[in-house]
Amino acid sequence: AQSVAQPEDQVNVAEGNPLTVKCTYSVSGNPYLFWYVQYPNRGLQFLLKYITGDNLVKGSYGFEAEFNKSQTSFHLKKPSALVSDSALYFCAVRDEFSGGYNKLIFGAGTRLAVHP
Amino acid sequence: GAGVSQSPRYKVAKRGQDVALRCDPISGHVSLFWYQQALGQGPEFLTYFQNEAQLDKSGLPSDRFFAERPEGSVSTLKIQRTQQEDSAVYLCASSLRTNEQFFGPGTRLTVL
Repeated sequence: AQSVAQPEDQVNVAEGNPLTVKCTYSVSGNPYLFWYVQYPNRGLQFLLKYITGDNLVKGSYGFEAEFNKSQTSFHLKKPSALVSDSALYFCAVRDEFSGGYNKLIFGAGTRLAVHP
Repeated sequence: GAGVSQSPRYKVAKRGQDVALRCDPISGHVSLFWYQQALGQGPEFLTYFQNEAQLDKSGLPSDRFFAERPEGSVSTLKIQRTQQEDSAVYLCASSLRTNEQFFGPGTRLTVL
């Protein structure tokens, strides 16, 4: 069955340090992968996506993600964390049987806390 | 420009009441999605519209849930005879066909 796993409920990092939020996926075909961020009382905001091409994808707010097919992972990274990056992060994969539209399967989310 | 808006932002219903949740997508967006987000969980797909056509309703949990988008713009998610397990945040998202989705702020439904 298709699924997305975010193995960490929470990630703590000091401001200025690099951050990684982990995501692994399970699909039978080629994955379409997404990262979204959710701030309190606000909707999800798109950060970046991988469809095909370069395994390193750059997105909004200085975030990037690395697609690793052999490890079925799509970890979110940022070289230098900001306190304002503190939020809830969701990894998602497009349902490969959705007929061409982006019916998304989300992970449970990882709370990122960046400390001053 | 305006993003996706949803109303009401908060709704409290007594068990057994019917509720209607509204979504105003970004103008011109063909695709519209509804998701349900339970506390501490990621969003789960409910249904998908392409213009006024409901192409996928596989995620609707029961026949108490009904969604419509009669003119291909505003959409309404209706829940009949609400139950406590319906308590969740209901998210609406729109997009230009297969592009990334833009999400609204959600409607938090609490069923007492």
